Order: sequence, then C-alpha cells, then structure tokens
Amino acid sequence: DGGITQSPKYLFRKEGQNVTLSCEQNLNHDAMYWYRQDPGQGLRLIYYSQIVNDFQKGDIAEGYSVSREKKESFPLTVTSAQKNPTAFYLCASSGTGRTEAFFGQGTRLTVV
Amino acid sequence: AQKITQTQPGMFVQEKEAVTLDCTYDTSDQSYGLFWYKQPSSGEMIFLIYQGSYDEQNATEGRYSLNFQKARKSANLVISASQLGDSAMYFCAMIGGYNKLIFGAGTRLAVHP
Repeated sequence: DGGITQSPKYLFRKEGQNVTLSCEQNLNHDAMYWYRQDPGQGLRLIYYSQIVNDFQKGDIAEGYSVSREKKESFPLTVTSAQKNPTAFYLCASSGTGRTEAFFGQGTRLTVV
Repeated sequence: AQKITQTQPGMFVQEKEAVTLDCTYDTSDQSYGLFWYKQPSSGEMIFLIYQGSYDEQNATEGRYSLNFQKARKSANLVISASQLGDSAMYFCAMIGGYNKLIFGAGTRLAVHP
C-alpha cells in the first residue's frame, strides 16, 4: 500500500548527540515536509523540499538539517545545536498542485 | 509571508449540534489552498477538507463544510451533527508559493453527550 513511513516511533537521545529521523514515502510525491509539535501546540515547519536535491528552511530550522538525495526519502537530523529537541516530529508529503498532504505516524524524540 | 490564525484554543459542543471552528489567513499569493486536519490523541493527522483559492463554491465533505470568505481571508470549518468521536485537535493549514505548507495553532474540540 502507498504511504509515508517514519521511523523510529520513539527515540531517546543523550544531550550533545546528533540523531537522524527517517521519513520514506512511496506515493511518488514531489514535496516533502518536516514539522515539530510540542504538547498542546500546533505544527511548526522545520524544512520542506519541492524536488530532489533542493530544500528550503521553514520557520524553525535552527539546529536541524535535512537532505533530499532521493525522491522517496527526506531524513531530518536533529543536531546538538538544537537546545530543546524533545518534541513530536511529523513528516508529510504532497503531490503536484495544491493537493492534500499525507502524514507519517510521527516520531517522539526525548532527550535524556 | 504566509500566516494562519486560529483564535479559539478550545471549544465545546453538545452531541448532535453544529460547531464552527474559526480560521483566518494571510498571504500575498494569488493561488493557494486551504485545508483542515483533525488530530486525535493518537497523534495521527487526518485530512478533512480542502478549498482552492479559485474555487467559487464552498467545499463540503460529508458532515464537514468549509465556509470560505475570500475577501475576509477566512476559512472556517463547520461540523454538523457533532459526534463524540469528533473530540480532537483541529488544524487549519494553507499551501502557497513554493508549496510551503503551514499550520495554525489549532483548536481543541470537546463534544459532550
């Protein structure tokens, strides 16, 4: 079945470590997105990509990095520069035009 | 710059009644799309309804309708005949230039029996 897969579902990180969150889609979508959600809050855009090998910063890109080497994959790295990384991270993808975005199940990152 | 504003942090409604969730937006793009998503406590994001900026008629999907007032830059969600399962967070979103997709802060809806 077509869909978007995030892994892992839960992730624990020690302070000062980089960690990479995986996002894969088999929907043949061009656009992909990463969001951060804090408890009881909305989704804030971290990075987005319209096509392979191109991506743009969102509203809260500091302390995060991404790559888009393949159409299907858009991994997010949370670096040690992100001072408060504990949050719920959602990845999404959408097709051409102004179509709905499909979401993964999310990764809950906790810094220990 | 794009912006989405949801001014109602929380709303409650009696089962079987209708409820309106407010959303206003700001953009300089001529072509854009507006969405509503539902997020239950499980965290999954469920697409509800879409309205294009050039669509003249309000979008409807079952019990959901989008009250689109372009001149006022508002895109309110109307849920008719509320059900207990409608209790969740609701997010308004907009996609504009460069396919940038942004979300509002959300409204928590509680449906009471």
